[in-house]
Amino acid sequence: NAGVTQTPKFQVLKTGQSMTLQCAQDMNHEYMSWYRQDPGMGLRLIHYSVGAGITDQGEVPNGYNVSRSTTEDFPLRLLSAAPSQTSVYFCASSYSSTSGNTIYFGEGSWLTVV
Amino acid sequence: DAKTTQPPSMDCAEGRAANLPCNHSTISGNEYVYWYRQIHSQGPQYIIHGLKNNETNEMASLIITEDRKSSTLILPHATLRDTAVYYCIVTGGGNKLTFGTGTQLKVEL
Repeated sequence: NAGVTQTPKFQVLKTGQSMTLQCAQDMNHEYMSWYRQDPGMGLRLIHYSVGAGITDQGEVPNGYNVSRSTTEDFPLRLLSAAPSQTSVYFCASSYSSTSGNTIYFGEGSWLTVV
Repeated sequence: DAKTTQPPSMDCAEGRAANLPCNHSTISGNEYVYWYRQIHSQGPQYIIHGLKNNETNEMASLIITEDRKSSTLILPHATLRDTAVYYCIVTGGGNKLTFGTGTQLKVEL
């Protein structure tokens, strides 16, 4: 059981380049989401998904696209990278529950845009 | 989700209990109190959550006041490895968490 796996762990991009951050979970969780964390700040929600084929925007969605074709995978696409997207990105997953649920986070992907 | 207020930093001696407070005066009836921690910019780690009753697990205890407007996370015997940023989050569930800046707990010898 690997939990939530993110790749790559480190990436340097040039302004204007595109790339995809991969996220996979092997716990059959319905919910998956992406957060970013800037220095000295808490995590902020970018996009989330409540199941395959269903995605929605979070607090800071601009500049990012997501899709959820399978339960296991939830990739985050940067269409045209900007220096403001330099951050640490965390993927998360959980079961749906009406009684409170534990959210599992990946180890993070460090992205630098120059 | 209700807003939470936490002290920016706290110190604790190793082996002593660490008591981390959190105010959430606007919490609504169906919202849970969650605690996560983050060590050295690793992915946040779930600690505990509760609705209105006190909760305990192998990591910590959560004490929620009767009016649910505040709570305290207790690490009963803090170790150096408990040095981390601790986040108190109030949410109705799902996978959408609103993180504040948390409390930086420093455990010292």
